[in-house]
Amino acid sequence: DTEVTQTPKHLVMGMTNKKSLKCEQHMGHRAMYWYKQKAKKPPELMFVYSYEKLSINESVPSRFSPECPNSSLLNLHLHALQPEDSALYLCASSPIGLAGARDTQYFGPGTRLTVL
Amino acid sequence: EDQVTQSPEALRLQEGESSSLNCSYTVSGLRGLFWYRQDPGKGPEFLFTLYSAGEEKEKERLKATLTKKESFLHITAPKPEDSATYLCAVQRGHFNKFYFGSGTKLNVKP
Repeated sequence: DTEVTQTPKHLVMGMTNKKSLKCEQHMGHRAMYWYKQKAKKPPELMFVYSYEKLSINESVPSRFSPECPNSSLLNLHLHALQPEDSALYLCASSPIGLAGARDTQYFGPGTRLTVL
Repeated sequence: EDQVTQSPEALRLQEGESSSLNCSYTVSGLRGLFWYRQDPGKGPEFLFTLYSAGEEKEKERLKATLTKKESFLHITAPKPEDSATYLCAVQRGHFNKFYFGSGTKLNVKP
């Protein structure tokens, strides 16, 4: 089974709100990822957690704050977002999670975020 | 500079009309090349991983191949349910990062 789950499916928030996106996998994968995808564009990498530690931050604004409480769970905390942050936010996980090692990513269904 | 380029951007086929999608890459230290299918508003669905030039993988009507510079996704006798955006991604050596191409939007008409 290669299932990654994400909640909520849809989220509408105002620019002053604080909200969180949640991602779970129970496949024992050691790396988890957050991507942002705008309409008709490919996914853009935001963060990578490897063995529960933040290993890559693609210069993402501080209004996005990732958290990895344990090896199965990944959160993305949102605060003071802008309308241009509206997008599909995708979570992915991969089994190996080591830099330089062959690995395969499996994606969740995404959270559709709308910022008003 | 590392690049992943997919062509064509869009492809319209009649049901049963076979064709190929292309993914060309310039990445140092390629660890793997991946094909995904993405339906509108949903997450990418994993299809294939290719590691070495000459490698081929098949699944139903899809066949992926890899050379040193590009990969092809061959679609044989497509059906309308094959309509989706097909994404190619590469994993670069020494980093746990995956680079995506812009995708090919496939539309198969009955």
